[in-house]
Amino acid sequence: QKEVEQNSGPLSVPEGAIASLNCTYSDRVSQSFFWYRQYSGKSPELIMSIYSNGDKEDGRFTAQLNKASQYVSLLIRDSQPSDSATYLCAVPSSGSARQLTFGSGTQLTVLP
Amino acid sequence: KAGVTQTPRYLIKTRGQQVTLSCSPISGHRSVSWYQQTPGQGLQFLFEYFSETQRNKGNFPGRFSGRQFSNSRSEMNVSTLELGDSALYLCASSLDLGEHTGELFFGEGSRLTVL
Repeated sequence: QKEVEQNSGPLSVPEGAIASLNCTYSDRVSQSFFWYRQYSGKSPELIMSIYSNGDKEDGRFTAQLNKASQYVSLLIRDSQPSDSATYLCAVPSSGSARQLTFGSGTQLTVLP
Repeated sequence: KAGVTQTPRYLIKTRGQQVTLSCSPISGHRSVSWYQQTPGQGLQFLFEYFSETQRNKGNFPGRFSGRQFSNSRSEMNVSTLELGDSALYLCASSLDLGEHTGELFFGEGSRLTVL
């Protein structure tokens, strides 16, 4: 089993809709979780970090963490065409908080 | 505040050659990590440096090496290049402090093509 798995996509949503991106992880002791956004031809950019169970909101983005079920999700409300990118879930590797394991990413397209 | 700077941005090498990539982290960031990104394997961790010491190393052969200087700048080297080394090499810096550990700021990357 891969350490970090994401719904492979691609995912297409109409402009203004809610985009839901999911990620599961295998290491039960993970304490921190990250979402990165990567535009085509660009480098990843940190958009959300979450450390506690529950929801964390930042503008149109909401990260949800459920440690018991070992999943973390990212909701993008009022999706815009500029949100079209690949979204990468990242979790610290076993034994080191400084070594991130990334999921394969979910490619999101927001249709105007 | 300047971001992470990587040089060169693009380079082409032939099999058997070696390459050195450079990274200057964000001012004040002492942790520098390197990742390899390929279409097939995605983002994979290479190594991480802090205060000139390698703290973590990913599952890559010994041909991949790196170092960090006293000013936190870092270099990575790949020797005896193989076709499969063609990839985007990303450097990331981190404040590496408390809950900010794992919050990486990536440079634009160095795209290596091995012919």
